[in-house]
Amino acid sequence: DVKVTQSSRYLVKRTGEKVFLECVQDMDHENMFWYRQDPGLGLRLIYFSYDVKMKEKGDIPEGYSVSREKKERFSLILESASTNQTSMYLCASSSPTGGAGNTIYFGEGSWLTVV
Amino acid sequence: GENVEQHPSTLSVQEGDSAVIKCTYSDSASNYFPWYKQELGKRPQLIIDIRSNVGEKKDQRIAVTLNKTAKHFSLHITETQPEDSAVYFCAAGYNQGGKLIFGQGTELSVKP
Repeated sequence: DVKVTQSSRYLVKRTGEKVFLECVQDMDHENMFWYRQDPGLGLRLIYFSYDVKMKEKGDIPEGYSVSREKKERFSLILESASTNQTSMYLCASSSPTGGAGNTIYFGEGSWLTVV
Repeated sequence: GENVEQHPSTLSVQEGDSAVIKCTYSDSASNYFPWYKQELGKRPQLIIDIRSNVGEKKDQRIAVTLNKTAKHFSLHITETQPEDSAVYFCAAGYNQGGKLIFGQGTELSVKP
């Protein structure tokens, strides 16, 4: 069974703090993703990575950065948290080899509140 | 940029009725269209997907149709049950496993 684990389910941070959201997958997947989920807006792609030390911007990268130092770990960083970054953050992973079963698998999500 | 529009945003049906959710996509290069179901407080999970070389796919009570020319795809749930109540997301991507662009979500409520 694919497991995508996000380190924190619920966080409360202050405006201006640096925030790290960690994600680890155990299926040796090359691809990893960070999405943000807000009511009425669906899931919006922040950043993704198709290989170690590689990253690409998604649709809403402003205010975020990422780190992929190891294949299994993909971190989302909020350099200076703001209240409009209060949201649910979903990490996901997949394999690029195609074929049946190579879909995107999600973690449980991290609820971040910035006060 | 790439965009996926999903309608309706909320849908309420009686148990046993059918439910249909529709999506349109903008990127003609998209060739992979999955649907995810997210129950309250849980992660989105894949329920069915379709590739652009197929017009329709069915799995028990759920089916997905794709019209590549019109860039439309739809989810059909028949004989709905209360456990079908959830938020459903459509998505479009290029190649299975690559990044996905999601629709806004549909909150389906099935009343007993």
